Amino acid sequence: SAVISQKPSRDICQRGTSLTIQCQVDSQVTMMFWYRQQPGQSLTLIATANQGSEATYESGFVIDKFPISRPNLTFSTLTVSNMSPEDSSIYLCSVGGVPDSTDTQYFGPGTRLTVL
Amino acid sequence: QQQVKQSPQSLIVQKGGISIINCAYENTAFDYFPWYQQFPGKGPALLIAIRPDVSEKKEGRFTISFNKSAKQFSLHIMDSQPGDSATYFCAASKDFNKFYFGSGTKLNVKP
Repeated sequence: SAVISQKPSRDICQRGTSLTIQCQVDSQVTMMFWYRQQPGQSLTLIATANQGSEATYESGFVIDKFPISRPNLTFSTLTVSNMSPEDSSIYLCSVGGVPDSTDTQYFGPGTRLTVL
Repeated sequence: QQQVKQSPQSLIVQKGGISIINCAYENTAFDYFPWYQQFPGKGPALLIAIRPDVSEKKEGRFTISFNKSAKQFSLHIMDSQPGDSATYFCAASKDFNKFYFGSGTKLNVKP
């Protein structure tokens, strides 16, 4: 498996500001993903963070709103830009291609974001 | 189009009973079917997973039953305990790339 940490664990932000969420994993992984989970709802994939290249975004999500970085095989950031109350959600990082466990995704603890 | 449909939305089971959660999928190319367990305030944790070449997989009290012809799979929790109370998500993927998640089932096991 993999140990994944996210920072911050939670935050309360003002409308119009931006927040960067960090995801750190304890081993080199080939794939990193960012999900959004609204309260009581399922997980929605925002994008796949590709090391050394642009992230791949899902329908309904754009780079200007959710810029992603992945500078190496253990770290990624997701920025939620120009926030509005509709962005209030839990943001989850997950990883795939973990050494000795290549066939599944492991999730971080999530970042709970509230936008006022 | 929802790739994975999950039911029921919520489930109440008495301690010691069997909890059953069902999922159905559309894409016959899917080749990996995991179940995740999520407690409030935590990220989803992998519980058990199955490939389509077997019809059943058991790990402790948790069993996945897989019906390839019907494109359905289910999670059975035997001897359900209050500590099993959580939200359960099924998922499906092809080549372990993009995961498609079900809508989730909130399980409440009453003591």
